Amino acid sequence: GAGVSQTPSNKVTEKGKYVELRCDPISGHTALYWYRQSLGQGPEFLIYFQGTGAADDSGLPNDRFFAVRPEGSVSTLKIQRTERGDSAVYLCASSLGQPGTGELFFGEGSRLTVL
Amino acid sequence: AQSVTQPDIHITVSEGASLELRCNYSYGATPYLFWYVQSPGQGLQLLLKYFSGDTLVQGIKGFEAEFKRSQSSFNLRKPSVHWSDAAEYFCAVGARQAGTALIFGKGTTLSVSS
Repeated sequence: GAGVSQTPSNKVTEKGKYVELRCDPISGHTALYWYRQSLGQGPEFLIYFQGTGAADDSGLPNDRFFAVRPEGSVSTLKIQRTERGDSAVYLCASSLGQPGTGELFFGEGSRLTVL
Repeated sequence: AQSVTQPDIHITVSEGASLELRCNYSYGATPYLFWYVQSPGQGLQLLLKYFSGDTLVQGIKGFEAEFKRSQSSFNLRKPSVHWSDAAEYFCAVGARQAGTALIFGKGTTLSVSS
C-alpha cells in the first residue's frame, strides 16, 4: 500500500484478555517501530525491528508485551493478560534507514481500550 | 540516553500571528532533530528535520526550525499561522549511533483563534 496500515483501528477488550495489533509497513522499508501514545503524552518507544529481528526491545514495559516480524514485512504486537493501564493508541512506523537518521512514516494507530 | 522537553503544553495563537514552539533536548553529542505534527484522526507527519550543516532548516507548510547547540534547543517557527495549523506538535531526537529509535517530547497543542 501507499502508507503504513494498522489494524484494527479500534479495539475494545476486557481486562485479562489477549490482544493482537497488526502493522503493514511501506513496501521496501526495512525498519519497523512500535510506539505507544497515552492521552496527553508523546509517542513512547516500545520496540524496533531491522528486517526480521528485534534490534531494540528496551521499551517494552514488561513480559506481557511481545512483537514479531517473521518475514521482515508485517509485524504483530501481542499483549497478554491486558490491564486497564494498557489502554492507549499503539502507533506503528516504518523507515528505510537506521533509526534516528531518517524520516519515520507513521500509521494512524490502533486505539486499544481495556475495560 | 537522549531526552526531549517541550515546555509548553498548550499554546493559543491568533490567525495570522507568528508562532514559536519550544523544544529542548538532552544528548551528549549533536543529535538528529525532528518536528512532527499530528492532526486529529491522522497519523504523525514529518514537518522538518536537522541532520547537519545549516542550522536553520525549512520544512513543509511554511514551518522552519533553528538548531542552537549552545542552548540545546530546536524551536519551531512560522511567521503567519493559519487555522489549519491547529494540531499537536512533537519534537523528537535521534542519536547518531545506529540502533537507537527516535525519542519524542510530550507535545504542544496549538489552538488558532480567529
